[in-house]
Amino acid sequence: EAGVVQSPRYKIIEKKQPVAFWCNPISGHNTLYWYLQNLGQGPELLIRYENEEAVDDSQLPKDRFSAERLKGVDSTLKIQPAELGDSAVYLCASSRGTPDTEAFFGQGTRLTVV
Amino acid sequence: GEDVEQSLFLSVREGDSSVINCTYTDSSSTYLYWYKQEPGAGLQLLTYIFSNMDMKQDQRLTVLLNKKDKHLSLRIADTQTGDSAIYFCAESYSSASKIIFGSGTRLSIRP
Repeated sequence: EAGVVQSPRYKIIEKKQPVAFWCNPISGHNTLYWYLQNLGQGPELLIRYENEEAVDDSQLPKDRFSAERLKGVDSTLKIQPAELGDSAVYLCASSRGTPDTEAFFGQGTRLTVV
Repeated sequence: GEDVEQSLFLSVREGDSSVINCTYTDSSSTYLYWYKQEPGAGLQLLTYIFSNMDMKQDQRLTVLLNKKDKHLSLRIADTQTGDSAIYFCAESYSSASKIIFGSGTRLSIRP
């Protein structure tokens, strides 16, 4: 079974430019999460989807961040425009969404804004 | 509020036991987790414990939960060089809700 796939693995952009990250969850997983991990810290939830519905986006900075999961499978996370402080690792995770199931994490996209 | 605290570093000798400690604040947490993160890799769930349990053992790993003190620990027996990683303590209300992570404890192994 393939795990959670994220791309790209690394991205370097200049500030004020847009950037997008892509996530393909494990097949059959209804719940999808985007987490932000700053250097030396634990991940923090940005947004959680149940199928195509965003059920928790309270921590997503909506002035510059957006996310979508149009068909309830793949998801994209976009930043426009990027700021220096957005440099971090962006992790995607998925789970079946039923009780007592594990969330599986992808390897993440490391974003560097210069 | 929700908060998870853990020490930043731990150094142990190879073959000894490692004990990583964590405290959390949300008494409504149902699931308490230990994740492992190796350099350049994603998070790997090592083990989890339900809040109505005191202890869980899985091969070299032992999780102890003191719900009264909101204290969670992970013991790794016979620590090996492959155990070098950052270990994150985490909590959630349900398995599908958001997971609140600590800042991670970096475990290093001395020969």
